[in-house]
Amino acid sequence: AQSVTQPDIHITVSEGASLELRCNYSYGATPYLFWYVQSPGQGLQLLLKYFSGDTLVQGIKGFEAEFKRSQSSFNLRKPSVHWSDAAEYFCAVGASGGATNKLIFGTGTLLAVQP
Amino acid sequence: AAGVIQSPRHLIKEKRETATLKCYPIPRHDTVYWYQQGPGQDPQFLISFYEKMQSDKGSIPDRFSAQQFSDYHSELNMSSLELGDSALYFCASSSGTGSGYTFGSGTRLTVV
Repeated sequence: AQSVTQPDIHITVSEGASLELRCNYSYGATPYLFWYVQSPGQGLQLLLKYFSGDTLVQGIKGFEAEFKRSQSSFNLRKPSVHWSDAAEYFCAVGASGGATNKLIFGTGTLLAVQP
Repeated sequence: AAGVIQSPRHLIKEKRETATLKCYPIPRHDTVYWYQQGPGQDPQFLISFYEKMQSDKGSIPDRFSAQQFSDYHSELNMSSLELGDSALYFCASSSGTGSGYTFGSGTRLTVV
């Protein structure tokens, strides 16, 4: 069965420091992979997605992620974190179901940014 | 650009009551998904529709039903509400498989 693991429940970084959020997936075929960000009580905003091609994907807000098939990973990175990046981050894999692809989410990583 | 519209934004219901949540997808998107996100939880897939037909079903209680109408909007009907149904309910729409999703802002349902 498809699954997504985000090993870090909570991460705290200093403003200006680099960030890497880990994501591992389990999926039999070539996965569709996504990273979403959610501020408290708000909706899910797509940061970036990987379908095929270049394994380094650029997203919005200066985020990027690298797909590594050999490690079943899709880690999210940002070279310099801003206080406004504090939020919860969800990694997700698209899983085929009939004519549609539902998303299976990881449990999320809550990012706190220290001044 | 048009986004996914969900209504209402907030809803308070009593136990055993019925609630109807509505979702208006992005124009020309033919697929709608419903997700439930409990407090402190990750979003859980409930159900999806493609071209007005149910396509996939997840952990949706039998008390819940949903449909997609001819104008592609979708409604999630929830009956005999329980306290545990209190959650944020998201709708998302897409065009074609694997094309990426756009989520609505969600409906926050509180059952008291």
